[in-house]
Parts: sequence; C-alpha cells; structure tokens
Amino acid sequence: NAGVTQTPKFQVLKTGQSMTLQCAQDMNHNSMYWYRQDPGMGLRLIYYSASEGTTDKGEVPNGYNVSRLNKREFSLRLESAAPSQTSVYFCASRIAGGHNEQFFGPGTRLTVL
Amino acid sequence: QKEVEQNSGPLSVPEGAIASLNCTYSDRGSQSFFWYRQYSGKSPELIMSIYSNGDKEDGRFTAQLNKASQYVSLLIRDSQPSDSATYLCAVPYSSASKIIFGSGTRLSIRP
Repeated sequence: NAGVTQTPKFQVLKTGQSMTLQCAQDMNHNSMYWYRQDPGMGLRLIYYSASEGTTDKGEVPNGYNVSRLNKREFSLRLESAAPSQTSVYFCASRIAGGHNEQFFGPGTRLTVL
Repeated sequence: QKEVEQNSGPLSVPEGAIASLNCTYSDRGSQSFFWYRQYSGKSPELIMSIYSNGDKEDGRFTAQLNKASQYVSLLIRDSQPSDSATYLCAVPYSSASKIIFGSGTRLSIRP
C-alpha cells in the first residue's frame, strides 16, 4: 500500500496562476483533508470531505476550491495564486469516526512569487 | 479564542528528564484527542490518542485527559535527543470529521 500520495512535491507559481494539488489514498478511507502549514506553525484546515460526495470548509478556505473526485481522490485548486498562499500543503485521510487517526501524505511545498 | 491552543515553545529539556506538553480545547463536546509528532520537513505521525478521562501510557509516553477542564497533556519520560520535534495536538469537532490542530510545541532535548 502506498498510503496517501500527493503530487507534485514542489511547485513554484507566479501570482495569478492557477494549479491543482492532487491527493490519493489507497486505504479505503471515508474522510479526506487538506491542511496548510506555514513556518513555525501548526496545521490549519482548509477543506475536508467527511465522505464521498461531501465537502466542507475548514478554518482557512478563502482562495481555495476542492473536489472529491471519488472515494480515493481529493484535489485542491488555487484559482489565482497569491504570495500569501506560499506554504506546505498536507493531505490526510482517515476512517470516519471520532476515534480514528489521520494518515498524512508527504506534503507539497508551494511557492508563489 | 482559538479552538485548540498549545504553547509554541520552544521547550528545552535536558536528556533523561520529563518533557510536559499541554493543550487546551474549546469544544466541550469533543470526545477524542490526538498527539502527533512532526520532524522538520516531514509529515505528522500519530504517537498517542486518548478518549477517556485520566492517563494512558504507551512506553515512554503518557497522555492525560481532563474533560472538565478541557485540557489534554503529553508527558515524555526519559527524554532522548530523538524526541526533538514539534508536537501537535489534534481535536475532532462538530460531527467529529472536522479535525483542528493546535499551533504545535517545538521540543528540544539538550544532551
């Protein structure tokens, strides 16, 4: 099992460009998450999908959109990138339910110039 | 008030001592609490979870939960240099699907 995979690993964008970050999991998990992590800070929730077909806003959703393509895949789109979106983006998944842990992907390091 | 709060540190502890990390949360309905460890440049990994009031021990790690005070802590006994990392507290909210992290506490174990 690959677990949670993310592509790309690194990306540099210019202000105003758009891009989609891809995330896939092969653990048959119901719930998937997108977080961003800025230097010296914890993880901030951007969007999450409790189950296939549903998505909800997290703490910092502005400037982002998501798509739960199927049970395996959950993508994050930046329509018009801004320097404030420079960050490391982590995708995570878990079996739905309060006592279940999240499993994280390796992260995507995004720089917006 | 932030939903999950942690002291950002850095917390410096001598090798062999006990490191104590604290976390408070705002939602009284939260039922599960997680501690993740994150090494620099890596993804978070789960080290402890706790659901009931009291203590839960796993090797050198002990998680403590007090739901009345909305407080959860992590103790690391016999601290080792390999314990130097950022420790993140995570709490499921609402339907238990929305999981919020604290800002993390950076721990440094000095030889």
